[in-house]
Amino acid sequence: AQKITQTQPGMFVQEKEAVTLDCTYDTSDPSYGLFWYKQPSSGEMIFLIYQGSYDQQNATEGRYSLNFQKARKSANLVISASQLGDSAMYFCAMRGDNYGQNFVFGPGTRLSVLP
Amino acid sequence: DVKVTQSSRYLVKRTGEKVFLECVQDMDHENMFWYRQDPGLGLRLIYFSYDVKMKEKGDIPEGYSVSREKKERFSLILESASTNQTSMYLCASSLPDRGHQPQHFGDGTRLSIL
Repeated sequence: AQKITQTQPGMFVQEKEAVTLDCTYDTSDPSYGLFWYKQPSSGEMIFLIYQGSYDQQNATEGRYSLNFQKARKSANLVISASQLGDSAMYFCAMRGDNYGQNFVFGPGTRLSVLP
Repeated sequence: DVKVTQSSRYLVKRTGEKVFLECVQDMDHENMFWYRQDPGLGLRLIYFSYDVKMKEKGDIPEGYSVSREKKERFSLILESASTNQTSMYLCASSLPDRGHQPQHFGDGTRLSIL
């Protein structure tokens, strides 16, 4: 069975600094996708970034980058130059490549950006 | 941009009522999903659909049903609402590509059952 672990229930970061949110996963699938989502207090889930298990390079999207270490089964999200608007819950998720598999979400990390 | 629209942001109903939560997506996605989100329990999959008139049970289908008569619309039905169904409900859609397509979510419906 697939499982996502996010060991940081809450994180604080100073505005304009970088922060890393941890995510480890467990799967026996040879091919899978890893995703990060942001959920502000208003409730919507916003897709941030995707990493494929066979991608050679770490994914980047603007201020977001994914530190993917396949052998360690980790997919940490790095947010550079934090902004006050980055304060939110962040969820790591994965999906295997087989038909019929659904997303598995981690428990989330609450990030608070301090002015 | 993908747009997933849920009919209500906030909804208050009474126990025993039949409740309909509507979700519409505008990107011709085959896959649609309903989740509920509760503090400490994360996102839990209720039902999903990979095609029109097709539905599959997720992890917690009890007390719910769904309808997908058109590709763009996926409705969640609480047959007889109970207080333990008070929750945040999130609808999502995606393309059917294996493993690589993100799910796109609506804004969520905060449902209170009194």
